[in-house]
Amino acid sequence: DAGITQSPRHKVTETGTPVTLRCHQTENHRYMYWYRQDPGHGLRLIHYSYGVKDTDKGEVSDGYSVSRSKTEDFLLTLESATSSQTSVYFCAISEGRGHGYTFGSGTRLTVV
Amino acid sequence: DQQVKQNSPSLSVQEGRISILNCDYTNSMFDYFLWYKKYPAEGPTFLISISSIKDKNEDGRFTVFLNKSAKHLSLHIVPSQPGDSAVYFCAATGDSNYQLIWGAGTKLIIKP
Repeated sequence: DAGITQSPRHKVTETGTPVTLRCHQTENHRYMYWYRQDPGHGLRLIHYSYGVKDTDKGEVSDGYSVSRSKTEDFLLTLESATSSQTSVYFCAISEGRGHGYTFGSGTRLTVV
Repeated sequence: DQQVKQNSPSLSVQEGRISILNCDYTNSMFDYFLWYKKYPAEGPTFLISISSIKDKNEDGRFTVFLNKSAKHLSLHIVPSQPGDSAVYFCAATGDSNYQLIWGAGTKLIIKP
C-alpha cells in the first residue's frame, strides 16, 4: 500500500548485532503496530503505538524495543539479534476502532 | 492460550463453489471481528469486518456471519474464484487501543 512503507525489505544479520526496522506512513494515522509472522502462529503483536511517544508492549515484546518520535515513523529495534528472531516483520497502521489495519509489505529478517 | 482459533490449516474448493472459512474465539469481551487475506510476500489486506451488534455483514462475494452464543464466525465466499487462493486470517478485538488478536490462518486453494 502506498501509504505505508517498510525498510529494509530483506536483511541478513549476525547473532548479537543490533538491528532497526523502519515503518513510515503518509496517512497520519494515530495507531501503528509491529507484528511478526511465523508458521503456525499467525500474526503476533510485538509493540504498538497510540500516539507520538506513546507505546506499549504486545504479546512477544521480549528482545524488542520501539520508538515513535514523529507521527509518520515507528522504529522497531532488536537490541541483540538472536536466531529466534528470524521472521517476517509487518508494520500496520490504523485510524482506530471501526477501521481496518493497513499493512506494509513486510521485512524478511534472517539472523545467522 | 489461543483466544482466536482457525482450526483448519487449509481448505480446497472447486472454482465457482462456495468457500466457508471458520473461526472460533474464547474471549467474550471481543466486540469487533475482521477477516484479512494474504498473498505470499505481501502484507495482509483487509476484507470485511463485523461488529458484535450484528450477526451478518455482506460485501459483494464476501459475507461474514457471527454467532455470539457459540463464539463462532465464518467467512463465505460465493462464487469462489482462482484469485481467492490465499491465506485468510480471522482477527478480533475488544481493546480500547484497538489491538487485534489473530488466528493462525487458513490457506484456501481454489481448484480450476
